[in-house]
Amino acid sequence: EVQLVESGGGLVQPGRSLRLSCAASGFTFDDYAMHWVRQAPGKGLEWVSGISWNSGSIGYADSVKGRFTISRDNAKNSLYLQMNSLRAEDTALYYCAKDRSSSSFPVYFDYWGQGTLVTVSS
Amino acid sequence: DIQMTQSPSSVSASVGDRVTITCRASQGISSWLAWYQQKPGKAPKLLIYAASSLQSGVPSRFSGSGSGTDFTLTISSLQPEDFATYYCQQANSFPAFGQGTRLEIK
Repeated sequence: EVQLVESGGGLVQPGRSLRLSCAASGFTFDDYAMHWVRQAPGKGLEWVSGISWNSGSIGYADSVKGRFTISRDNAKNSLYLQMNSLRAEDTALYYCAKDRSSSSFPVYFDYWGQGTLVTVSS
Repeated sequence: DIQMTQSPSSVSASVGDRVTITCRASQGISSWLAWYQQKPGKAPKLLIYAASSLQSGVPSRFSGSGSGTDFTLTISSLQPEDFATYYCQQANSFPAFGQGTRLEIK
């Protein structure tokens, strides 16, 4: 059974940093691209960042480019999101999502974690 | 950037009804489109990918069609568990979601 378990969320002040983690199990982690998708309270879904199976292809939404960094450790079956210079508008539930394929195109999210909540507030 | 627009934003329907939700892309995306279902407090669930391919385990009452800029999700006979919010998503390297369609019980 595929499982994705996010951790690392919490309350953080504007301008500070936070690192999210996603522990994956139930599939061959290094066969698939992985992504972060967020959902602000009461709002829709927004893709944040994605990384190919071998970290050779990485992409970011314009809203986080230059502030967030995605990475993965295939030996540990883990995905990460380093979030710097956090803003109030980054407040959201952050989901880890598995891609149906190994590459960066096309992108379909076939499994999702339950999310970790990030709240940016003073 | 490719923008995705869904219509309607909300729809009321009864068990047994046939419901269609539309998604329009701001430029052609071939068949690179997915549909997701999200229930309150839960993660989204992939229903349809490549515009018309049914994800494993998804009931056959769900179907997708379209290509280019115009796409539809159809639920042939609504069941009680289908009342949820539905999102379309364009599947290029910088994916984007529609704003969502809330399907409510009439």
